[in-house]
Amino acid sequence: EAGVTQFPSHSVIEKGQTVTLRCDPISGHDNLYWYRRVMGKEIKFLLHFVKESKQDESGMPNNRFLAERTGGTYSTLKVQPAELEDSGVYFCASSPWGNGAGGTDTQYFGPGTRLTVL
Amino acid sequence: QQQVKQSPQSLIVQKGGISIINCAYENTAFDYFPWYQQFPGKGPALLIAIRPDVSEKKEGRFTISFNKSAKQFSLHIMDSQPGDSATYFCAASEGSARQLTFGSGTQLTVLP
Repeated sequence: EAGVTQFPSHSVIEKGQTVTLRCDPISGHDNLYWYRRVMGKEIKFLLHFVKESKQDESGMPNNRFLAERTGGTYSTLKVQPAELEDSGVYFCASSPWGNGAGGTDTQYFGPGTRLTVL
Repeated sequence: QQQVKQSPQSLIVQKGGISIINCAYENTAFDYFPWYQQFPGKGPALLIAIRPDVSEKKEGRFTISFNKSAKQFSLHIMDSQPGDSATYFCAASEGSARQLTFGSGTQLTVLP
């Protein structure tokens, strides 16, 4: 079974440019999460999709970030325009439907996209 | 405000020794506490997890100890091996919210 995949693995852009990150979750996983790790600090939650709906986007830093999940499959995270402080590693994770008792809480992470904004 | 505090930031252990990483949390609504292991160039991978209804969970050389009253939990790696060298993250989540709140990570190096 293929794991969570992310593209690109690295992206270097200049301040003010636009970047789009893509995440393909494990097939059949309804839950999809985006996280970010900045400068060796803790991994921080950005948002959570259940199928194609945004369940929780409380971690999105500002309106320069736009996440979509087309048809409940892959997801994209667009940063427009990018700022220096957006540099970091962006992780995507997925999990099956369920909530502990009936399902699983295990989130499976992708390898991440390292974004560098110059 | 960091809701899950992790220490130490880095840890060096001799092969065969015990590695101990500690975490403390503030939110008493947290009810799921996983530990993730991350190797360079890879994403975090679930290592072991515990719920607050038990005080200890062991899987092979890895043990989680949980102290609900102190709001602390720790990871113990017995007989540490060079292959255990990685970054370890503790995390917590709350019921149906399910988003993980992570600690800042511990870089573990096991010397041969």
